[in-house]
Amino acid sequence: GAVVSQHPSWVICKSGTSVKIECRSLDFQATTMFWYRQFPKQSLMLMATSNEGSKATYEQGVEKDKFLINHASLTLSTLTVTSAHPEDSSFYICSASPGANEKLFFGSGTQLSVL
Amino acid sequence: GENVEQHPSTLSVQEGDSAVIKCTYSDSASNYFPWYKQELGKGPQLIIDIRSNVGEKKDQRIAVTLNKTAKHFSLHITETQPEDSAVYFCAAWMDSSYKLIFGSGTRLLVRP
Repeated sequence: GAVVSQHPSWVICKSGTSVKIECRSLDFQATTMFWYRQFPKQSLMLMATSNEGSKATYEQGVEKDKFLINHASLTLSTLTVTSAHPEDSSFYICSASPGANEKLFFGSGTQLSVL
Repeated sequence: GENVEQHPSTLSVQEGDSAVIKCTYSDSASNYFPWYKQELGKGPQLIIDIRSNVGEKKDQRIAVTLNKTAKHFSLHITETQPEDSAVYFCAAWMDSSYKLIFGSGTRLLVRP
């Protein structure tokens, strides 16, 4: 299947700092990528849909000024957690699809721990 | 609203037995139903999927069935092995809103 690479796999940061997570589609182009958040022993919750060359679409309850998404190319989307706080500690996962009506593949996830 | 319900939340089976996980979706416009396996600390891995124009699909020990009328779909794993132990998620693609909605997950334990 298609490969989605996510980096870093884990990050620890101090409260108040910002953290950037990268999501790359390695062998296909993705006009749309999706960002999910997963708390321990819970399901994946969609945070936002990232669209190449345009603004991201955020789910209800997700602060767009806190979770900045940039999708500058067809193979790269980034999620920046700004002014991170301990409650932002979570497992963040990106996904992408080679095209409409195609399978959705997931990255390996990023474990964020905010101290 | 958009909702996917998944049962059971935990499932323990003896090695060699079968495991069945069931999901129900709410949006009748949903047309794509993937299943993912997630191991601890990793991203979800697509294991099988089915589209709305098909009632059943099989891939070796794994099969998925879909009942569009009842809005039910199920994952069947036969001859379970300890390495099948993981959390399994069903999902439904909402074409109307262009997003994938996940079920709550099933923690499968295969006892040797």
